[in-house]
Amino acid sequence: DSGVTQTPKHLITATGQRVTLRCSPRSGDLSVYWYQQSLDQGLQFLIHYYNGEERAKGNILERFSAQQFPDLHSELNLSSLELGDSALYFCASSVNTWTSGDEQFFGPGTRLTVL
Amino acid sequence: GENVEQHPSTLSVQEGDSAVIKCTYSDSASNYFPWYKQELGKGPQLIIDIRSNVGEKKDQRIAVTLNKTAKHFSLHITETQPEDSAVYFCAAIARGGGADGLTFGKGTHLIIQP
Repeated sequence: DSGVTQTPKHLITATGQRVTLRCSPRSGDLSVYWYQQSLDQGLQFLIHYYNGEERAKGNILERFSAQQFPDLHSELNLSSLELGDSALYFCASSVNTWTSGDEQFFGPGTRLTVL
Repeated sequence: GENVEQHPSTLSVQEGDSAVIKCTYSDSASNYFPWYKQELGKGPQLIIDIRSNVGEKKDQRIAVTLNKTAKHFSLHITETQPEDSAVYFCAAIARGGGADGLTFGKGTHLIIQP
């Protein structure tokens, strides 16, 4: 158990809908990263938040957004969902530095299925 | 941006034998190289990492080597056991170079034959 929690574990929804995925980092970690894992694209970095501020964006679509709250939990919002958005979504947390590259610990993931 | 290539995509070894997975990276600024193990239905688990000021690191049955000149790094698992069966991912990132996330290889499915 990495200490990172994600909810829900599974999510099934329809095209065009909007969903919110939630992540709670390890105690004391200020950085939260979101990743998408799919069969064709592999594991891809989406976005990084540090202590409530957005630090970097990776291959994140404009239909996707995220935020990190004062209690450090983070939410990933996916809107206007398409079939191709079906994937596993992971968050990872790392120690309280704003620079990347510290050990990242992954949560169990949310499996999103868009029908 | 960074590009990480990982080989092989599938590796089958007899229990007790060694397994080696290799990765290459493109960005010479990358200086942190973690390895993750992912079991079915679970998130990636950090198993070992290496920083660019070190050439080799060991932790019990696993070891990682880094060749900065050639831009490649490898994972070595000795005395493989059934519980080593999983998908392994290498990754790279430039620590201190910004706040980007990890760039991952495509993964290696390691199968331990009894």
